[in-house]
Amino acid sequence: DAKTTQPPSMDCAEGRAANLPCNHSTISGNEYVYWYRQIHSQGPQYIIHGLKNNETNEMASLIITEDRKSSTLILPHATLRDTAVYYCIVRPNYGQNFVFGPGTRLSVLP
Amino acid sequence: EAGVAQSPRYKIIEKRQSVAFWCNPISGHATLYWYQQVLGQGPKLLIQFQNNGVVDDSQLPKDRFSAERLKGVDSTLKIQPAKLEDSAVYLCASSLTTRSSGELFFGEGSRLTVL
Repeated sequence: DAKTTQPPSMDCAEGRAANLPCNHSTISGNEYVYWYRQIHSQGPQYIIHGLKNNETNEMASLIITEDRKSSTLILPHATLRDTAVYYCIVRPNYGQNFVFGPGTRLSVLP
Repeated sequence: EAGVAQSPRYKIIEKRQSVAFWCNPISGHATLYWYQQVLGQGPKLLIQFQNNGVVDDSQLPKDRFSAERLKGVDSTLKIQPAKLEDSAVYLCASSLTTRSSGELFFGEGSRLTVL
């Protein structure tokens, strides 16, 4: 079973920041938080991952709370092409496979 | 860099028939995964290979599903005989190793419809 909880759906206006929350209250000390997204009819795509520090790359920012029990993926300027299902996954950084939950369906509206 | 290649993209069969899906991972990627994604759900792992050895096949329905990765490169997933509930998208993914940064690269998937 997935170790994360995400809202089933969210809307965001084009050009605005999209903030996608994820709860992982049972996360262990050696487990990383990963984010993937899946655009319609495509395979999932890696976005970002982190352990306890905030992370940023060209796609998004990941904010992890100090107690590591929740995190937020931030798309700073959402576009229509960001419409997708976003998956938050908790996993040790080796060995075990990725367990996907149902994710959050983000709709970016014009 | 070429991505993960899968074929066929679409397949329609009747129940009790057989079907096979093929995957060619990114060159040099030692780890290969097959996932099953039912409509409206996240992908579920079926089997994980490290080179040509099986790491995890605990969720593979072995009475009807089989997979192999000969020579540690390409992989084939077979279903025989198919059931209605096997209708899903079958995703192949690869990574350098299980000890990589965690980045999985997915193919576009093979959509199976069982009538």
